[in-house]
Amino acid sequence: AQKITQTQPGMFVQEKEAVTLDCTYDTSDPSYGLFWYKQPSSGEMIFLIYQGSYDQQNATEGRYSLNFQKARKSANLVISASQLGDSAMYFCAMRGINTGTASKLTFGTGTRLQVTL
Amino acid sequence: IAGITQAPTSQILAAGRRMTLRCTQDMRHNAMYWYRQDLGLGLRLIHYSNTAGTTGKGEVPDGYSVSRANTDDFPLTLASAVPSQTSVYFCASSDSTEDTQYFGPGTRLTVL
Repeated sequence: AQKITQTQPGMFVQEKEAVTLDCTYDTSDPSYGLFWYKQPSSGEMIFLIYQGSYDQQNATEGRYSLNFQKARKSANLVISASQLGDSAMYFCAMRGINTGTASKLTFGTGTRLQVTL
Repeated sequence: IAGITQAPTSQILAAGRRMTLRCTQDMRHNAMYWYRQDLGLGLRLIHYSNTAGTTGKGEVPDGYSVSRANTDDFPLTLASAVPSQTSVYFCASSDSTEDTQYFGPGTRLTVL
Protein backbone atom coordinates (compact mmCIF):
# COMPACT_ATOMS: atom_id res chain seq x y z
CA ALA A 1 0.00 0.00 0.00
CA GLN A 2 1.05 3.55 -0.63
CA LYS A 3 0.81 6.35 1.88
CA ILE A 4 1.53 10.06 1.71
CA THR A 5 1.94 12.14 4.85
CA GLN A 6 1.79 15.92 4.96
CA THR A 7 2.28 16.97 8.55
CA GLN A 8 1.78 20.72 8.11
CA PRO A 9 -1.92 21.55 7.96
CA GLY A 10 -1.09 25.24 7.54
CA MET A 11 1.92 27.39 6.77
CA PHE A 12 2.56 31.12 6.60
CA VAL A 13 5.29 32.78 4.54
CA GLN A 14 6.10 36.36 3.86
CA GLU A 15 6.04 37.58 0.29
CA LYS A 16 9.37 37.13 -1.54
CA GLU A 17 10.59 34.57 0.99
CA ALA A 18 11.14 30.88 0.24
CA VAL A 19 8.99 28.18 1.86
CA THR A 20 9.27 24.41 2.13
CA LEU A 21 6.21 22.19 2.26
CA ASP A 22 6.89 18.76 3.70
CA CYS A 23 5.88 15.42 2.21
CA THR A 24 6.91 11.95 3.29
CA TYR A 25 5.80 8.77 1.63
CA ASP A 26 5.72 5.04 2.07
CA THR A 27 5.52 2.47 -0.70
CA SER A 28 6.60 -1.04 -1.55
CA ASP A 29 6.85 -0.27 -5.26
CA PRO A 30 10.43 -0.45 -6.59
CA SER A 31 9.86 2.60 -8.77
CA TYR A 32 7.36 5.37 -8.37
CA GLY A 33 6.53 8.94 -9.23
CA LEU A 34 5.89 11.85 -6.92
CA PHE A 35 3.71 14.84 -7.76
CA TRP A 36 2.73 18.17 -6.30
CA TYR A 37 -0.57 19.85 -7.09
CA LYS A 38 -1.86 23.31 -6.16
CA GLN A 39 -5.50 23.97 -5.34
CA PRO A 40 -6.36 27.67 -5.11
CA SER A 41 -9.57 28.88 -3.50
CA SER A 42 -11.31 28.62 -6.87
CA GLY A 43 -11.07 24.83 -6.47
CA GLU A 44 -9.23 23.55 -9.52
CA MET A 45 -6.28 21.17 -9.17
CA ILE A 46 -3.18 22.46 -10.92
CA PHE A 47 -0.20 20.20 -11.61
CA LEU A 48 3.08 21.78 -10.45
CA ILE A 49 5.98 19.36 -10.58
CA TYR A 50 6.93 15.68 -10.97
CA GLN A 51 9.84 13.59 -9.65
CA GLY A 52 10.57 10.03 -10.73
CA SER A 53 12.17 7.80 -8.13
CA TYR A 54 15.08 7.00 -10.46
CA ASP A 55 15.67 10.56 -11.61
CA GLN A 56 19.24 11.56 -10.83
CA GLN A 57 18.48 15.20 -10.25
CA ASN A 58 15.85 16.99 -8.24
CA ALA A 59 13.03 18.32 -10.38
CA THR A 60 12.67 22.05 -10.92
CA GLU A 61 9.92 24.02 -12.60
CA GLY A 62 10.30 27.78 -12.47
CA ARG A 63 10.00 28.86 -8.84
CA TYR A 64 9.12 25.31 -7.77
CA SER A 65 11.69 22.69 -6.91
CA LEU A 66 11.35 19.29 -5.34
CA ASN A 67 13.82 18.33 -2.63
CA PHE A 68 13.84 14.56 -3.13
CA GLN A 69 15.59 12.49 -0.48
CA LYS A 70 14.97 8.87 -1.38
CA ALA A 71 16.61 7.33 1.66
CA ARG A 72 14.45 9.44 3.94
CA LYS A 73 11.37 8.90 1.74
CA SER A 74 10.70 12.59 1.53
CA ALA A 75 9.70 14.80 -1.39
CA ASN A 76 9.42 18.33 -0.10
CA LEU A 77 8.23 21.16 -2.31
CA VAL A 78 10.27 24.36 -2.21
CA ILE A 79 8.69 27.56 -3.48
CA SER A 80 11.16 30.37 -3.96
CA ALA A 81 10.30 34.08 -3.94
CA SER A 82 6.73 33.53 -2.72
CA GLN A 83 3.97 35.58 -4.29
CA LEU A 84 0.50 36.41 -3.02
CA GLY A 85 -0.90 34.21 -5.76
CA ASP A 86 0.86 31.21 -4.21
CA SER A 87 -1.70 31.21 -1.39
CA ALA A 88 -3.49 27.90 -1.86
CA MET A 89 -3.78 24.32 -0.72
CA TYR A 90 -0.89 22.11 -1.83
CA PHE A 91 -1.14 18.36 -2.24
CA CYS A 92 1.62 15.80 -2.51
CA ALA A 93 0.76 12.61 -4.39
CA MET A 94 2.41 9.45 -5.63
CA ARG A 95 1.85 6.43 -7.84
CA GLY A 96 3.78 3.32 -8.76
CA ILE A 97 5.59 2.94 -12.08
CA ASN A 98 5.33 -0.27 -14.08
CA THR A 99 3.27 -1.82 -11.33
CA GLY A 100 -0.36 -2.60 -10.74
CA THR A 101 -0.65 0.64 -8.83
CA ALA A 102 0.38 2.80 -11.79
CA SER A 103 -3.20 3.98 -12.24
CA LYS A 104 -3.68 4.88 -8.62
CA LEU A 105 -2.57 8.31 -7.52
CA THR A 106 -2.47 8.46 -3.73
CA PHE A 107 -2.81 11.92 -2.19
CA GLY A 108 -1.80 13.44 1.10
CA THR A 109 -4.22 15.55 3.13
CA GLY A 110 -2.67 18.80 1.97
CA THR A 111 -0.99 21.90 3.38
CA ARG A 112 -2.66 25.28 3.27
CA LEU A 113 -0.13 28.00 2.45
CA GLN A 114 -0.86 31.62 3.18
CA VAL A 115 1.47 34.25 1.73
CA THR A 116 1.48 37.53 3.66
CA LEU A 117 2.72 41.01 2.81
CA ILE B 1 -7.91 24.59 -25.11
CA ALA B 2 -10.83 23.07 -23.19
CA GLY B 3 -9.00 20.17 -21.58
CA ILE B 4 -11.45 18.49 -19.24
CA THR B 5 -15.00 19.64 -18.69
CA GLN B 6 -17.31 18.45 -15.94
CA ALA B 7 -21.04 18.90 -15.55
CA PRO B 8 -22.86 19.98 -13.56
CA THR B 9 -20.75 22.50 -11.67
CA SER B 10 -22.80 21.87 -8.57
CA GLN B 11 -25.90 19.91 -7.65
CA ILE B 12 -28.15 19.41 -4.66
CA LEU B 13 -29.73 15.98 -4.69
CA ALA B 14 -32.29 14.19 -2.55
CA ALA B 15 -31.15 10.95 -0.97
CA GLY B 16 -32.18 7.92 -2.97
CA ARG B 17 -32.07 9.70 -6.31
CA ARG B 18 -29.92 8.58 -9.22
CA MET B 19 -27.30 11.01 -10.49
CA THR B 20 -24.75 10.96 -13.28
CA LEU B 21 -21.76 13.27 -13.22
CA ARG B 22 -20.38 13.93 -16.67
CA CYS B 23 -16.75 14.23 -17.67
CA THR B 24 -15.42 14.91 -21.15
CA GLN B 25 -11.84 15.45 -22.29
CA ASP B 26 -10.59 16.66 -25.64
CA MET B 27 -6.94 15.71 -25.26
CA ARG B 28 -7.38 12.14 -26.58
CA HIS B 29 -5.95 10.84 -23.33
CA ASN B 30 -6.21 7.11 -22.87
CA ALA B 31 -6.63 7.04 -19.09
CA MET B 32 -9.35 8.73 -17.05
CA TYR B 33 -10.12 8.85 -13.34
CA TRP B 34 -12.72 9.92 -10.82
CA TYR B 35 -11.78 11.24 -7.37
CA ARG B 36 -13.73 12.58 -4.46
CA GLN B 37 -12.34 15.28 -2.19
CA ASP B 38 -13.45 15.50 1.41
CA LEU B 39 -12.18 17.89 4.06
CA GLY B 40 -9.25 16.42 5.95
CA LEU B 41 -9.01 13.38 3.69
CA GLY B 42 -7.47 14.75 0.52
CA LEU B 43 -8.48 13.19 -2.78
CA ARG B 44 -9.42 9.55 -3.01
CA LEU B 45 -9.73 7.51 -6.18
CA ILE B 46 -13.20 6.13 -6.89
CA HIS B 47 -12.82 4.45 -10.30
CA TYR B 48 -10.42 4.62 -13.20
CA SER B 49 -10.18 3.58 -16.83
CA ASN B 50 -6.86 2.77 -18.46
CA THR B 51 -8.35 2.86 -21.94
CA ALA B 52 -11.73 2.96 -23.65
CA GLY B 53 -13.74 -0.16 -22.87
CA THR B 54 -11.98 -0.93 -19.56
CA THR B 55 -12.61 0.26 -16.01
CA GLY B 56 -11.20 -0.51 -12.59
CA LYS B 57 -12.00 0.10 -8.95
CA GLY B 58 -10.13 2.60 -6.87
CA GLU B 59 -9.95 3.15 -3.15
CA VAL B 60 -13.63 4.04 -2.52
CA PRO B 61 -15.76 2.48 -5.30
CA ASP B 62 -18.85 1.45 -3.31
CA GLY B 63 -22.03 3.20 -4.40
CA TYR B 64 -20.53 4.38 -7.67
CA SER B 65 -20.33 2.99 -11.19
CA VAL B 66 -18.56 4.15 -14.34
CA SER B 67 -18.49 3.36 -18.02
CA ARG B 68 -16.02 4.17 -20.78
CA ALA B 69 -17.76 3.72 -24.11
CA ASN B 70 -15.30 5.99 -25.94
CA THR B 71 -12.04 7.84 -25.37
CA ASP B 72 -13.52 11.21 -24.51
CA ASP B 73 -16.27 10.50 -21.99
CA PHE B 74 -16.16 8.96 -18.54
CA PRO B 75 -19.45 9.39 -16.65
CA LEU B 76 -19.78 8.59 -12.95
CA THR B 77 -23.16 7.32 -11.73
CA LEU B 78 -24.56 7.27 -8.21
CA ALA B 79 -27.35 4.72 -8.44
CA SER B 80 -29.02 5.73 -5.18
CA ALA B 81 -27.37 8.73 -3.56
CA VAL B 82 -26.70 8.84 0.19
CA PRO B 83 -25.65 11.82 2.35
CA SER B 84 -22.14 10.39 2.79
CA GLN B 85 -21.62 10.93 -0.94
CA THR B 86 -21.72 14.69 -0.37
CA SER B 87 -18.35 15.75 -1.71
CA VAL B 88 -16.47 17.52 -4.46
CA TYR B 89 -15.88 15.20 -7.40
CA PHE B 90 -12.94 15.60 -9.73
CA CYS B 91 -12.42 13.93 -13.06
CA ALA B 92 -8.86 13.61 -14.35
CA SER B 93 -7.10 12.22 -17.39
CA SER B 94 -3.62 11.26 -18.48
CA ASP B 95 -2.07 10.17 -21.76
CA SER B 96 -1.23 6.85 -20.17
CA THR B 97 -1.28 5.50 -16.64
CA GLU B 98 2.39 6.45 -16.40
CA ASP B 99 1.83 10.11 -17.17
CA THR B 100 0.81 13.17 -15.21
CA GLN B 101 -2.89 13.41 -14.44
CA TYR B 102 -4.69 16.64 -15.33
CA PHE B 103 -7.87 17.55 -13.52
CA GLY B 104 -11.22 19.00 -14.45
CA PRO B 105 -12.80 21.88 -12.52
CA GLY B 106 -14.81 19.63 -10.22
CA THR B 107 -18.48 19.07 -9.35
CA ARG B 108 -19.77 19.97 -5.91
CA LEU B 109 -22.47 17.49 -4.94
CA THR B 110 -24.69 17.79 -1.89
CA VAL B 111 -26.97 14.88 -0.96
CA LEU B 112 -29.72 15.73 1.50
